[in-house]
This record gives sequence, structure tokens and C-alpha cells, in this order.
Amino acid sequence: GESVGLHLPTLSVQEGDNSIINCAYSNSASDYFIWYKQESGKGPQFIIDIRSNMDKRQGQRVTVLLNKTVKHLSLQIAATQPGDSAVYFCAFTSGTYKYIFGTGTRLKVLA
Amino acid sequence: DSGVTQTPKHLITATGQRVTLRCSPRSGDLSVYWYQQSLDQGLQFLIHYYNGEERAKGNILERFSAQQFPDLHSELNLSSLELGDSALYFCASSDDRGDTQYFGPGTRLTVL
Repeated sequence: GESVGLHLPTLSVQEGDNSIINCAYSNSASDYFIWYKQESGKGPQFIIDIRSNMDKRQGQRVTVLLNKTVKHLSLQIAATQPGDSAVYFCAFTSGTYKYIFGTGTRLKVLA
Repeated sequence: DSGVTQTPKHLITATGQRVTLRCSPRSGDLSVYWYQQSLDQGLQFLIHYYNGEERAKGNILERFSAQQFPDLHSELNLSSLELGDSALYFCASSDDRGDTQYFGPGTRLTVL
């Protein structure tokens, strides 16, 4: 069945360094991908998205890379800050109004 | 603030009971989604409503049901509650394109 996996359940980075969070998906028909950030006690917050006709999209300090060949998605956070500490989820939809979410990667920013 | 509201924020009840969780989507959004998030687990899609009609079902138990009303708010009903139903329940809404989902703050359900 459809699934989304994350390579690293916990990622610790030094403040100021760049963070890379990875995600693998299994549905080759997926056409839309999203990264969400969830802080403790809060609901998931949209960070950035990308469609399958693109391989890179940049936002403010964040970049999403999509490699459809190997079905891999990554989120890059530049100059990681303490406020970036959270759980990050990747998710995809295959046009059926149904989202599949990964189990999440916890990002810890070390001072 | 995503614009999606959920009530109550916390709910504590006993096994066998029934509860109703409420969600109001962002202004103008016709789609409402419900998710369950257990401790240290990812988001499990439960059900999706669009303009009052059920659009898609995920891993929703038969003890659970939902509906979306004409004013577009939605309710998730959980009955015959079990200890394992303790979780965070999130509601999300999206516009007609159905792309980005905006999540509410969640309802934390504790079943004792």
C-alpha cells in the first residue's frame, strides 16, 4: 500500500548549521508533496509544498527537493534556529483528497 | 493561527462513553478532514467531507462517525470509547483545490 517513510527519526543540529530532513514515498503517481512542522502541543503547520512537475522549490530559509526517480523528498533548513525545533512531517496526495503522512522526524537544535 | 478552530481543547472521559469533537473550517473552505494522532505516531487520516458530503474514508473505526453541516462546521463522534482511543484529534480544512490543508489546534482526548 501507500506509505511514506523517514530516514532519521531524530536529528540534532547545532544552531546556525543547515538541517536536512529526508522522506521516502512509495506512490509513483503522487503529484503533490508537503512539509509540515508540528511544535509541541500544536497542530501541524504548513511549511512548503512542491508539485511533481518541479524538482526544487525555495521558501524563506527552507528548500524542498523532489527526486521522482528514487521517490525521495527532502527539506533543507538553512541557518537552523532554536525556533526550528519541532517534529517535521512529509505528506503526499495522489489527487484523491487523501493525504498520507510520515511518522515524523524530530529536529533538535543545540545551542 | 490557521483559522481552523476546534473545541474542546481537552476532553477526559471514561471507557464506554461517547464524545463529540467539533471543528470550524477556515472561512470559505469547503473541505474538512479529520486525523488521529497517537503518542509518538504520525497523523492517521480518518475521513474527509466536502460541502456536506463524505468524500473519502481512511482508517476510521465503525465506532467513529462524522458529519459536516450546512454551515460547513464538522463534528466527529466517538462512541464506546476504549483506552486506545486516547489521542490528539486534528481537524484540517482546505479550499476547492484540495491542496494545502490548514490544521486546527487539536482536541486531546483522554479515556480513563
